[in-house]
Amino acid sequence: QKEVEQDPGPLSVPEGAIVSLNCTYSNSAFQYFMWYRQYSRKGPELLMYTYSSGNKEDGRFTAQVDKSSKYISLFIRDSQPSDSATYLCAMGPGGSNYKLTFGKGTLLTVNP
Amino acid sequence: DAGVTQSPTHLIKTRGQQVTLRCSPKSGHDTVSWYQQALGQGPQFIFQYYEEEERQRGNFPDRFSGHQFPNYSSELNVNALLLGDSALYLCASSLRADTQYFGPGTRLTVL
Repeated sequence: QKEVEQDPGPLSVPEGAIVSLNCTYSNSAFQYFMWYRQYSRKGPELLMYTYSSGNKEDGRFTAQVDKSSKYISLFIRDSQPSDSATYLCAMGPGGSNYKLTFGKGTLLTVNP
Repeated sequence: DAGVTQSPTHLIKTRGQQVTLRCSPKSGHDTVSWYQQALGQGPQFIFQYYEEEERQRGNFPDRFSGHQFPNYSSELNVNALLLGDSALYLCASSLRADTQYFGPGTRLTVL
């Protein structure tokens, strides 16, 4: 079993839709969680990070973490064509372990 | 404020050759991590440098080595290149080790 599982999609939605992206993980040591957006042939761009279970909101984006279920989500409200990209979840143990473990990424297309 | 920069953008090498990739961290950051991203995959951690020393290493062979300079910039060296080393190589910088900011990457093609 991979440490981090992420459905690669692809996911296609109409403009204005609410998008839900998800990852599950198996390593209980993971303490902090991130979402990155990666446009084609570019480096990943940090969108959200959180340390605790619960929700964190930033504009149209909401990150949700459920440590008891080992499940994290990213919600995008009022999706725009410019949101079309690959979304990567990443997580790490923290403390003296600095390695980030990534999911494979979900390819999202928002159609005008 | 300049973000993370990497050079070169693209590189083509042949099997057996050696390659050096370069990274300058975001202003104020002192830690540099390197990742390898194969096509259709998430980035895989290679190693992290802090205070000019390798602080942590992922599951990569010794052919992959690095260096960090006093100005916090870093190099990734790969010896005896294999076809499977073809990938996007990403550098990430941070002040705290958890919030890592990525550069645009160097696309390496091994023929």
